[in-house]
Amino acid sequence: EAQVTQNPRYLITVTGKKLTVTCSQNMNHEYMSWYRQDPGLGLRQIYYSMNVEVTDKGDVPEGYKVSRKEKRNFPLILESPSPNQTSLYFCASSLSGGEGYQPQHFGDGTRLSIL
Amino acid sequence: SQKIEQNSEALNIQEGKTATLTCNYTNYSPAYLQWYRQDPGRGPVFLLLIRENEKEKRKERLKVTFDTTLKQSLFHITASQPADSATYLCALDSSGGYNKLIFGAGTRLAVHP
Repeated sequence: EAQVTQNPRYLITVTGKKLTVTCSQNMNHEYMSWYRQDPGLGLRQIYYSMNVEVTDKGDVPEGYKVSRKEKRNFPLILESPSPNQTSLYFCASSLSGGEGYQPQHFGDGTRLSIL
Repeated sequence: SQKIEQNSEALNIQEGKTATLTCNYTNYSPAYLQWYRQDPGRGPVFLLLIRENEKEKRKERLKVTFDTTLKQSLFHITASQPADSATYLCALDSSGGYNKLIFGAGTRLAVHP
């Protein structure tokens, strides 16, 4: 089954404790991205990757890191999480980023609570 | 500033009626616009894409219109069913076709039997 898989689905942690949210897709998609979703604000893009070893900042990149060493994986790293990063996070992928008429395939989200 | 707006109030309609959701934007000239459905606890699911040179797009009971002069897209669900209850997000291209999407906050639709 074609899917985007995120782990963990839920995480409660404390300020400053490094964490990684994994994202994996099995559709051989080139383009992957991370969003955060906050009430009333919609989905905001954090980082995106056009292909392996190619990443770039989205609209709200501060406090986050990403890497794209393999085509299927795109982990999101919070080196020193803070309470304002408490949010619902989504990973998404699409066939390519160069031809923009591509639907995004989303994972089911990771709910992060930073205390 | 650039903005994309969807009605933040929930839309309540009776089963069998047509639901119409609105997406307005300012200061963009998007090459395309997409609509997604999001159920509680799930990620958004792609429904329809409409390009700037298309006035209307249909898929089964769904219809999307795109008016670049009014800077507005309308999303219609005809013969609505309780199973259509969800939050609907519009997203527009802000990057000239390079997949940088800007999402609206979504409108919650509740279809009552």
